[in-house]
Amino acid sequence: DTAVSQTPKYLVTQMGNDKSIKCEQNLGHDTMYWYKQDSKKFLKIMFSYNNKELIINETVPNRFSPKSPDKAHLNLHINSLELGDSAVYFCASSQGGLAGGQSFFGPGTRLTVL
Amino acid sequence: AQSVTQPDIHITVSEGASLELRCNYSYGATPYLFWYVQSPGQGLQLLLKYFSGDTLVQGIKGFEAEFKRSQSSFNLRKPSVHWSDAAEYFCAVNQAGTALIFGKGTTLSVSS
Repeated sequence: DTAVSQTPKYLVTQMGNDKSIKCEQNLGHDTMYWYKQDSKKFLKIMFSYNNKELIINETVPNRFSPKSPDKAHLNLHINSLELGDSAVYFCASSQGGLAGGQSFFGPGTRLTVL
Repeated sequence: AQSVTQPDIHITVSEGASLELRCNYSYGATPYLFWYVQSPGQGLQLLLKYFSGDTLVQGIKGFEAEFKRSQSSFNLRKPSVHWSDAAEYFCAVNQAGTALIFGKGTTLSVSS
């Protein structure tokens, strides 16, 4: 069983389109994340979300929005895609509390905006 | 501000030679510490982690790392590198239930 899964694995789209990336975790974790890895391979947090709180990285454009239908899912919606949005997007999850330091990552979604 | 520094952008090591990748962090309290590896076109694989206790931690694939509180460092080591170790290595820190802060990564090349 895959712990953290993402779909699609590859996403190619035109500028201006709206797209979504789905993420599911079957670990029972209470916190999920979206990270962006840019062309220089730098990984940066975009969002942290649990059932109580959404923490948004202040540098993330408001064209990006996380949506969580339930505790096991955190989808990423992107409106009006731009060339600079091309990147690999990783979903992750972790368990809060004192024992919850480790994050488990999905395989990534490579987004290419043409 | 919280940050992770990996001073070496690119390292080349001969196959069979030893390896040390450096990582320094700046954090308000002692964080949890991690090393991840990413092969080309692949996702992130956890090599090892430090939460507390013994400051020398063992990971997968023969890697180990040592936490030095006085130096705010968590360097990754391997006594004998294999060609398959060529990849991107990321050091990361966090506290429980919070997002990871990553270093910019070190690219490891292995020469024969």
